[in-house]
Amino acid sequence: DAKTTQPPSMDCAEGRAANLPCNHSTISGNEYVYWYRQIHSQGPQYIIHGLKNNETNEMASLIITEDRKSSTLILPHATLRDTAVYYCIVRGGIQGAQKLVFGQGTRLTINP
Amino acid sequence: DGGITQSPKYLFRKEGQNVTLSCEQNLNHDAMYWYRQDPGQGLRLIYYSQIVNDFQKGDIAEGYSVSREKKESFPLTVTSAQKNPTAFYLCASSGLQGVRVFVTEAFFGQGTRLTVV
Repeated sequence: DAKTTQPPSMDCAEGRAANLPCNHSTISGNEYVYWYRQIHSQGPQYIIHGLKNNETNEMASLIITEDRKSSTLILPHATLRDTAVYYCIVRGGIQGAQKLVFGQGTRLTINP
Repeated sequence: DGGITQSPKYLFRKEGQNVTLSCEQNLNHDAMYWYRQDPGQGLRLIYYSQIVNDFQKGDIAEGYSVSREKKESFPLTVTSAQKNPTAFYLCASSGLQGVRVFVTEAFFGQGTRLTVV
């Protein structure tokens, strides 16, 4: 599985858009980009994933660059409850590539 | 409700004792995972299993053992050989869907906090 690089921490004001970057320069053609978040002392929660097109759901938007070497998770109107550690993972989309490896993530703090 | 359940939430053991952490899922997922998390750190993969009766070591398997006798269950044993077992342990599962067998997102349990005294 490809490795990812994320900034260790970020701050964002409540009500603003939070943009979390992730570099995955060694991503291969069949690997998806997944985002999870972990609120203190809980299990990680799935947010969104994508292959090459931008994706949006009720929680967030995912922007993947055309060369797929980096992506950005966007929380459009951050709230205090969005304070968490956010993990970006790349993962094979085909059976047999099931190893799911997490990095250190980005600790996002939403400030009132 | 469908989900993944870890028990117990808190566990205390004396040093030198083996302890088994439970993980059960009713999502009909093929793949299951165990992670360890230390304070302020990310998740580190201990073991994972893609199918019943098969499992692979992750990055920090030493001092741990697993079994996968049933699709819905993936218990983790923390043995006395694990030098620093006190940690937060997370179990996850993910499935396969579609004709092209794409991986679905992983679902996590709420974790077991193990303290060895």
